[in-house]
Amino acid sequence: SQQGEEDPQALSIQEGENATMNCSYKTSINNLQWYRQNSGRGLVHLILIRSNEREKHSGRLRVTLDTSKKSSSLLITASRAADTASYFCATDAWTSGSRLTFGEGTQLTVNP
Amino acid sequence: NAGVTQTPKFQVLKTGQSMTLQCAQDMNHNSMYWYRQDPGMGLRLIYYSASEGTTDKGEVPNGYNVSRLNKREFSLRLESAAPSQTSVYFCASSTSQGNYGYTFGSGTRLTVV
Repeated sequence: SQQGEEDPQALSIQEGENATMNCSYKTSINNLQWYRQNSGRGLVHLILIRSNEREKHSGRLRVTLDTSKKSSSLLITASRAADTASYFCATDAWTSGSRLTFGEGTQLTVNP
Repeated sequence: NAGVTQTPKFQVLKTGQSMTLQCAQDMNHNSMYWYRQDPGMGLRLIYYSASEGTTDKGEVPNGYNVSRLNKREFSLRLESAAPSQTSVYFCASSTSQGNYGYTFGSGTRLTVV
């Protein structure tokens, strides 16, 4: 079963707009990560937020984590056509080592 | 270039045939993983290796075996392929605690007919 569930499943916006994707999970976590997957390619790690962090930034990316609601959001500001991809959240809930459980992803389309 | 290399990139098998998917990483990572990705679904963990010499089952291990040949290499074997194993397979690696995220290979697209 999937630990994380992304919302929405698909998102279509215009270049320059902001894109927000949400992720909910079920169990306590050590950290939550976001990945991007371009069509036909492998996943690329974007950002990791630990369970004791509430917000993290990396370039045009902003991630928030609310452990009380077991949810996270990924905001991409000033979207570009090159941001078109699938975005996955993944949770690391293991006390020993690392094993990620992935959600089903959000397909983001940025129209030029 | 440093990273995770998977071979082959594409493969078509007949039901009942066997094959091994190869994966190698050159980042000195201790942990390695095999995931499968099916349309409309996220990635599901098949097997993982926390360190050289150890392997453990993930969420969907049935029909697969793995070998952690050394620190660099982690192979996935299908002994008797079934159509339900048609999928895209990804290998990944990470540090022991995964604090810097996973590095993924580019995937193997497998079709079983």
